[in-house]
Amino acid sequence: EADIYQTPRYLVIGTGKKITLECSQTMGHDKMYWYQQDPGMELHLIHYSYGVNSTEKGDLSSESTVSRIRTEHFPLTLESARPSHTSQYLCASTDRAITGELFFGEGSRLTVL
Amino acid sequence: LAKTTQPISMDSYEGQEVNITCSHNNIATNDYITWYQQFPSQGPRFIIQGYKTKVTNEVASLFIPADRKSSTLSLPRVSLSDTAVYYCLVGDGSSYKLIFGSGTRLLVRP
Repeated sequence: EADIYQTPRYLVIGTGKKITLECSQTMGHDKMYWYQQDPGMELHLIHYSYGVNSTEKGDLSSESTVSRIRTEHFPLTLESARPSHTSQYLCASTDRAITGELFFGEGSRLTVL
Repeated sequence: LAKTTQPISMDSYEGQEVNITCSHNNIATNDYITWYQQFPSQGPRFIIQGYKTKVTNEVASLFIPADRKSSTLSLPRVSLSDTAVYYCLVGDGSSYKLIFGSGTRLLVRP
């Protein structure tokens, strides 16, 4: 079993609220990723990090921000949630991006009313 | 960045062998090809990875021709529980950016 955890699993929140989705892994992986996925649709890379203090934007433009202060922790923040942010957010990590296996968390399903 | 192309969907019946092909014409020399399986409301799960020729594990085989511009995931004797979306993933070989394609939705019928 992968040791990567996401909280909360489900969140229903009103427009304009600030939210933070947590992602933690205990495998010591230096590379971490956030993907956004709507039901029945493909995964979109929104952020990634190749180590502490590194963050990069993915291919899908996102109003969210991320930080990587510690190896094991890669939180995603939305300063002001909107209904268009309603989606599932999946966190993943790996120790070798080219040849390694991506380990995914269970996901955080966000609903913004 | 290597872009992947897969069929949108496939249908099969229990007990049949299923082959899903992925095209990656711009694959870089040091790229590996990795396949993932995803069930609804879950994160993708690693199935198999290869660089060239053939790789086999307990759940699948992966065939990669010499030019490496495509790969085929082979699932022997599928069951209903193999109904899922299957993604092939090709890194760009020079960065850590891992982008999934559209995936193939496999439906296994009784």
